[in-house]
Amino acid sequence: DQQVKQNSPSLSVQEGRISILNCDYTNSMFDYFLWYKKYPAEGPTFLISISSIKDKNEDGRFTVFLNKSAKHLSLHIVPSQPGDSAVYFCAAKYGAGNNRKLIWGLGTSLAVNP
Amino acid sequence: DAGVTQSPTHLIKTRGQHVTLRCSPISGHKSVSWYQQVLGQGPQFIFQYYEKEERGRGNFPDRFSARQFPNYSSELNVNALLLGDSALYLCASSWTLEGGQPQHFGDGTRLSIL
Repeated sequence: DQQVKQNSPSLSVQEGRISILNCDYTNSMFDYFLWYKKYPAEGPTFLISISSIKDKNEDGRFTVFLNKSAKHLSLHIVPSQPGDSAVYFCAAKYGAGNNRKLIWGLGTSLAVNP
Repeated sequence: DAGVTQSPTHLIKTRGQHVTLRCSPISGHKSVSWYQQVLGQGPQFIFQYYEKEERGRGNFPDRFSARQFPNYSSELNVNALLLGDSALYLCASSWTLEGGQPQHFGDGTRLSIL
């Protein structure tokens, strides 16, 4: 049972345009959502997170939007750059204290074309 | 500051053998988590340690075990290796597991079972 779903395995955008990566979740207990980027042969790198009590968080070119009623979040990258080409993972946290867990989606491969 | 370091980077084993993977967290980080990632999937949670105590275990057989040492480094052990254990094994560390603290990943150990 996939609690965090990234339904688009891949996405291709033109350099300078907006990239929108989507993520849906099923568990109402998730209280933080995180986006990671992964290049081949490297470990995932943390990009940006959002608390479930917020609806938007912005960091430079990266903005994450959360629609809690729809159990949906999205990562916007504006403007997209060729160096953004990577696999993007949506992950969600739940649990109490130091017994918290991080559940991952399957990832979306983003290709930014020059 | 050094990031999360994992050793070895690559490993080839045969079925039935045993393997030990090692991880050194970022200095000051007290939590270490282990993930298995197969191609085309997101990381799957194996174990989580905080302050040398196991704080979570994923849906993996008892052939998988781990421990965290007083210096917060960690080992993942896998016995009786199967072909299906071939994967990228990722270690992640964080100062705490509470709230939305992101985990920081090493570049992983690529394990191939022949």
